[in-house]
Amino acid sequence: QPVVTQSSSASGSLGSSVKLTCTLSSGHIGYIIAWHQQQPGKAPRYLMNLDGSGSFNRGSGVPDRFSGSTSGDDRYLTISNLQSEDEADYYCETWDSNFYVFGTGTKVTVL
Amino acid sequence: QVQLQESGPGLVKPSQTLSLTCTVSGGSISSGGYYWSWIRQHPGKGLEWIGYIYYSGSTYYNPSLKSRVTISVDTSKNQFSLKLSSVTAADTAVYYCARTADGSGSEYWGQGTLVTVSS
Repeated sequence: QPVVTQSSSASGSLGSSVKLTCTLSSGHIGYIIAWHQQQPGKAPRYLMNLDGSGSFNRGSGVPDRFSGSTSGDDRYLTISNLQSEDEADYYCETWDSNFYVFGTGTKVTVL
Repeated sequence: QVQLQESGPGLVKPSQTLSLTCTVSGGSISSGGYYWSWIRQHPGKGLEWIGYIYYSGSTYYNPSLKSRVTISVDTSKNQFSLKLSSVTAADTAVYYCARTADGSGSEYWGQGTLVTVSS
């Protein structure tokens, strides 16, 4: 079963960019992941899915400030032109053989 | 636009069974192509996948919870349900239902419902 690893925190100034990393466990390098945003006190919100080639598909209504990219077993979420409402926890999700798993989440602080 | 809404008791006594229902609107569970998931989040912690059901009734559970979990579906009501038996304080969490698909992940989420296990 896959495991996904995320750093615990990241920060950026208003208007800057921040890049979050989700690392897939060994043997799962080609796997698709999903990125979710969870603002304080709210349910998670689907941002996008991202595959091993770097191709991504944003969810409905997700601003194009959110983009995805891939390098090997790393899946990235880049937030450009950081806004105050982007301060949230970000989770990656992956799956294999009818088993789904989430990363531990990255807390993004907007300075 | 698919919408999901959890419902059920917010307080459950230890050793009893937690029961929640998710009502789906804006789409039919019977249309196929998607899994209908339960996910929970302990206070201040990350997300934990509990399991999911397909419209046909096929179920898949997180091995860590499998012995206590039952997910069922009622296509006539466009609802699916979660039962978690023998609960303890460690099962206190916000429980979410979601629509999930291979290839995209959990795209639509309910607002979540807090279930507290306490006597």
